[in-house]
Amino acid sequence: AQTVTQSQPEMSVQEAETVTLSCTYDTSESDYYLFWYKQPPSRQMILVIRQEAYKQQNATENRFSVNFQKAAKSFSLKISDSQLGDAAMYFCAYRTTNYQLIWGAGTKLIIKP
Amino acid sequence: NAGVTQTPKFRVLKTGQSMTLLCAQDMNHEYMYWYRQDPGMGLRLIHYSVGEGTTAKGEVPDGYNVSRLKKQNFLLGLESAAPSQTSVYFCASRVSGANVLTFGAGSRLTVL
Repeated sequence: AQTVTQSQPEMSVQEAETVTLSCTYDTSESDYYLFWYKQPPSRQMILVIRQEAYKQQNATENRFSVNFQKAAKSFSLKISDSQLGDAAMYFCAYRTTNYQLIWGAGTKLIIKP
Repeated sequence: NAGVTQTPKFRVLKTGQSMTLLCAQDMNHEYMYWYRQDPGMGLRLIHYSVGEGTTAKGEVPDGYNVSRLKKQNFLLGLESAAPSQTSVYFCASRVSGANVLTFGAGSRLTVL
């Protein structure tokens, strides 16, 4: 069975600096998708970025980028120029071939002004 | 456009009571999901539906029932609530072939 591990329960970063959140996963599938979701205090789940496993190029969305290492089964999220609005829980998720999502336990990101 | 709407947003129940959470989506999505979120854990799938009139069990289905009588609605029922069902419940939906889920705002349920 697939598993997703986020080893950092909490991270903090100074405003305007860069922070990297870690995610590792275990799977025997070759075709899958990976996601980072953000959950602010409002509880709303918001998609931050996604990566298709067959694409070697790392996905980027403005200040958010990933470091996808398929062989190492690693999928980290880098947030550049951190802003106060980035404070939230961040969840890594893996989409199986039958479209089920397996979620990590989350990382709480604190932004220090 | 409302997206995915969950009602109620908050509810307190006593052990043994029953209740139904309603999820409504106005995007004509085929797939709908119910998750629960507990502290220190990722979301866990309770039940899901691939279309009107169909439902299937997820990772943690025990103690819950669901129905999808209309395409736009997905109901989650607790027949006899237990304290272990205290959680935040999320509904999500997606269109067939899409990878991205659209989530509701969550429903916080407390069972005393």
